[in-house]
Amino acid sequence: DTGVSQNPRHKITKRGQNVTFRCDPISEHNRLYWYRQTLGQGPEFLTYFQNEAQLEKSRLLSDRFSAERPKGSFSTLEIQRTEQGDSAMYLCASSFPIFQGSTEAFFGQGTRLTVV
Amino acid sequence: EDKVVQSPLSLVVHEGDTVTLNCSYEVTNFRSLLWYKQEKKAPTFLFMLTSSGIEKKSGRLSSILDKKELFSILNITATQTGDSAVYLCAENTDKLIFGTGTRLQVFP
Repeated sequence: DTGVSQNPRHKITKRGQNVTFRCDPISEHNRLYWYRQTLGQGPEFLTYFQNEAQLEKSRLLSDRFSAERPKGSFSTLEIQRTEQGDSAMYLCASSFPIFQGSTEAFFGQGTRLTVV
Repeated sequence: EDKVVQSPLSLVVHEGDTVTLNCSYEVTNFRSLLWYKQEKKAPTFLFMLTSSGIEKKSGRLSSILDKKELFSILNITATQTGDSAVYLCAENTDKLIFGTGTRLQVFP
């Protein structure tokens, strides 16, 4: 399968614990995006990378959230001191950058986080 | 930050009906408009629109963009139960900004 891969698919954690999610993008894609989605809402932008550079982080994003893409390939999203409000589906997507002509983003299956 | 608004929020139809889903957007840094279908998990790509007035078509689905009025529509003709999903519209401003989606339910 050469699509976007996310692990784990499900995560249940106790409030206050730290969690880390991983995303492996399509190998030719140098753009990588993280989104959060709750029931009944569209995906909410969190952050995105071009290669290893983090280009933008949502102003609404708590400083408990951090993302990395150290070698420009896979990325990790860490949430520290989780809260119940962090419960959501975390989606990763990848694409070519716009100047390469193709801008549709392909999504992974997501990681569903439940904070109890 | 640009906002994307979709309407209606929810739609219930019978098989064979035709539906039109609406998407309006703002234009601060517009590059393209994308439509996705989301069933249980990840959104799957349907269309990317960059030019006004040029219809994109795939089977029973079609979409068009109006860059002057800042909206797009997605049409589905002869709906089937398998069309039941949330349809998401996203403005590409170098990142994708999504609307809340339209939940379509198609009953036999």
